Amino acid sequence: DAGVTQSPTHLIKTRGQQVTLRCSPISGHKSVSWYQQVLGQGPQFIFQYYEKEERGRGNFPDRFSARQFPNYSSELNVNALLLGDSALYLCASSLVGPRNTIYFGEGSWLTVV
Amino acid sequence: GENVEQHPSTLSVQEGDSAVIKCTYSDSASNYFPWYKQELGKRPQLIIDIRSNVGEKKDQRIAVTLNKTAKHFSLHITETQPEDSAVYFCAASLEQFYFGTGTSLTVIP
Repeated sequence: DAGVTQSPTHLIKTRGQQVTLRCSPISGHKSVSWYQQVLGQGPQFIFQYYEKEERGRGNFPDRFSARQFPNYSSELNVNALLLGDSALYLCASSLVGPRNTIYFGEGSWLTVV
Repeated sequence: GENVEQHPSTLSVQEGDSAVIKCTYSDSASNYFPWYKQELGKRPQLIIDIRSNVGEKKDQRIAVTLNKTAKHFSLHITETQPEDSAVYFCAASLEQFYFGTGTSLTVIP
């Protein structure tokens, strides 16, 4: 079975630009969450979606947005990129909603220059 | 929200020795505590987890203990091997997951 898949794996953007990251959960999983991992730190929660509805939002500015599609895949959008947005963005899926085991994808490495 | 602290930040052990990583959490409502192993440039991978109705769980060389009263939980790795070298993250789950800052474990052959 395929695990969580994310695209793109690496990308470089310029300050002020916008980026869209994509995630496909494990087959049968209905919940997707997004995390930001800065080098040397643990993952920081950004969003959780379950059954296409936002179920939680971390302490991130409104420049960050996300959505979940009917096939349970998800997109994370970040507008007006800042240098500090450079990080590994991890998508995780779980079978159902909150408080359930999450499985991470390989992540999208974003560098903002 | 929840606050998870993890210690130590770095840990070096000789091959065959045991390694212990400790985490504390702040919110007594947290009820699920997974541990993830992350190798350089790779995704975090779940290695073991425990729920609040259990005090200890073991899987071969890996064990996790939970003390709900003190709000801390620990990862124990016995008979360490060089392939155990990685960064380990603990997490506590309320509605979302809150991760510790990681422990870089080096197993010296």
